[in-house]
Amino acid sequence: DQQVKQNSPSLSVQEGRISILNCDYTNSMFDYFLWYKKYPAEGPTFLISISSIKDKNEDGRFTVFLNKSAKHLSLHIVPSQPGDSAVYFCAALGLRGSNSGYALNFGKGTSLLVTP
Amino acid sequence: ETGVTQTPRHLVMGMTNKKSLKCEQHLGHNAMYWYKQSAKKPLELMFVYNFKEQTENNSVPSRFSPECPNSSHLFLHLHTLQPEDSALYLCASSQDLPGNNQPQHFGDGTRLSIL
Repeated sequence: DQQVKQNSPSLSVQEGRISILNCDYTNSMFDYFLWYKKYPAEGPTFLISISSIKDKNEDGRFTVFLNKSAKHLSLHIVPSQPGDSAVYFCAALGLRGSNSGYALNFGKGTSLLVTP
Repeated sequence: ETGVTQTPRHLVMGMTNKKSLKCEQHLGHNAMYWYKQSAKKPLELMFVYNFKEQTENNSVPSRFSPECPNSSHLFLHLHTLQPEDSALYLCASSQDLPGNNQPQHFGDGTRLSIL
């Protein structure tokens, strides 16, 4: 069963506007969340992360918000630029099982298109 | 030079072939990972190595055989693969095991096609 869900497979935003990418998770034990960005023919690149003790982390144009009670996080990109067009993956860190270690659980990704 | 390098970038092989995927990280990290990304599916963790020792095997079929000769190199040996094994195989590394809240750094992947 998928524990990290990105329900929007794609999103189109005009240049200069805000892009909001959403992610939901089901496991309340997840305590570290990351966003990765992936261009075609390249591997995922780490973008920004947030620990469960925070509700917001900002890095330049990128801000991640965490709502633990709703088990929801979002990535805001302001202002959006055409170079931001990529697939964005949400990931959450948690134990894989009682006899296993920690692992990243990934969503399926949201494809963002920023139009000029 | 990118932090995590994977070769080859593309691989086409028959079901009876034996091939190997290679991953090298230049970041001084201690943990390395193999992931599989199939179409329309999230990344699936396959194997985790920490200081050359395998710490996780996520129920991966034995036709996939990992090897980690040192902390900088990770191989995935392939033999008798099935068509459903066609996917993008990504290598990643991190300073330590995931429990320390560190991001993983990914290579560009090997696109594998099984005929």
